[in-house]
Amino acid sequence: SQQGEEDPQALSIQEGENATMNCSYKTSINNLQWYRQNSGRGLVHLILIRSNEREKHSGRLRVTLDTSKKSSSLLITASRAADTASYFCATGALYNQGGKLIFGQGTELSVKP
Amino acid sequence: DTEVTQTPKHLVMGMTNKKSLKCEQHMGHRAMYWYKQKAKKPPELMFVYSYEKLSINESVPSRFSPECPNSSLLNLHLHALQPEDSALYLCASSQGPNQETQYFGPGTRLLVL
Repeated sequence: SQQGEEDPQALSIQEGENATMNCSYKTSINNLQWYRQNSGRGLVHLILIRSNEREKHSGRLRVTLDTSKKSSSLLITASRAADTASYFCATGALYNQGGKLIFGQGTELSVKP
Repeated sequence: DTEVTQTPKHLVMGMTNKKSLKCEQHMGHRAMYWYKQKAKKPPELMFVYSYEKLSINESVPSRFSPECPNSSLLNLHLHALQPEDSALYLCASSQGPNQETQYFGPGTRLLVL
């Protein structure tokens, strides 16, 4: 079963605005990852944050992790039309078998020019 | 080379056909994965190969048969599929089997008639 929940399910913004997506999970984790998927294509890894980290940056991306609330957020600043995609969080559970990631339901982001 | 390749890109098959999906990576990764993804849903893990051995089978029906001929190749053999098996099949790899960053191929779009 999928343990990650994301909100909002869909988000529509104008170019230049910031986009924030949230992810909640249920069990203790090793790390949390964010992936992007353009329509009908493979997923692209964006960023990985470990359970002992609280915030991480990569270019226009900022990820936070609150293990006490079992939640994470992905902020995309100064969004571009090319950021239009589905965004998934994925967690590696602390006591799970090696390699297994569980994906959240995803947020569909639309950035209008 | 940071690419995972998948062939074919599209596949249409009847319920009595036998076909195979292929996945290849040359990054020296020792873990490889098969996922199934339905439209507007997150990827669902099917199989994990770790050091060329099947380490996780997520209770996938036997009409799906994975094979890892060597550390660079992963196959998914399909036989007697059902229309509900129509989906995007994604292959991924990671350096090791420890919930690390996964690199995804572009997927095979499968339609079962």
